[in-house]
Amino acid sequence: GAVVSQHPSWVICKSGTSVKIECRSLDFQATTMFWYRQFPKQSLMLMATSNEGSKATYEQGVEKDKFLINHASLTLSTLTVTSAHPEDSSFYICSARVQAKGANVLTFGAGSRLTVL
Amino acid sequence: DQQVKQNSPSLSVQEGRISILNCDYTNSMFDYFLWYKKYPAEGPTFLISISSIKDKNEDGRFTVFLNKSAKHLSLHIVPSQPGDSAVYFCAASESGNTPLVFGKGTRLSVIA
Repeated sequence: GAVVSQHPSWVICKSGTSVKIECRSLDFQATTMFWYRQFPKQSLMLMATSNEGSKATYEQGVEKDKFLINHASLTLSTLTVTSAHPEDSSFYICSARVQAKGANVLTFGAGSRLTVL
Repeated sequence: DQQVKQNSPSLSVQEGRISILNCDYTNSMFDYFLWYKKYPAEGPTFLISISSIKDKNEDGRFTVFLNKSAKHLSLHIVPSQPGDSAVYFCAASESGNTPLVFGKGTRLSVIA
């Protein structure tokens, strides 16, 4: 079945550094990918919609200059957390739409846990 | 304002019994609903979905019921198994193509 691969699965970085998270669709092409963030015991919150070959669409309250999204190919979207701070520590998950069980559903990557010291 | 609400943060059920997870929504434009299962440190995995033209969808041990007038849906798991222990997220969208809106999740513990 369709697989979304995310890398790295976890990363620890110092405050002020930038971290890049990659999201790949392994056996299908994804013109659109979605980036979510989950804080402990909270819901998955949509951060932005990544569109291949064009600018990402950010949700209200998400700083586009801080969370840089690049969707350069039909199988790769990247999220770069720039000048990371401890409050950016979270679980970041990407997803893409696939057909599964006769339905159009989001398939998620395994997630990337970011810890900013 | 949370558009998708899962009011029970946790639920414990004995193995073999039925697990019922509930979800309420406020946006009447939602017409496509999904349930996801999530283990710690992993991404959510799709379980089952239902569109607003139906009131029930069944897949093996999992059944989703939709009550549009009450803006309520539920996921039934029967019989419950220890491997079902996870956090279950309810999600909704408009017309199946807009981004999903998730509830906060319900942690299900199935006790052997």
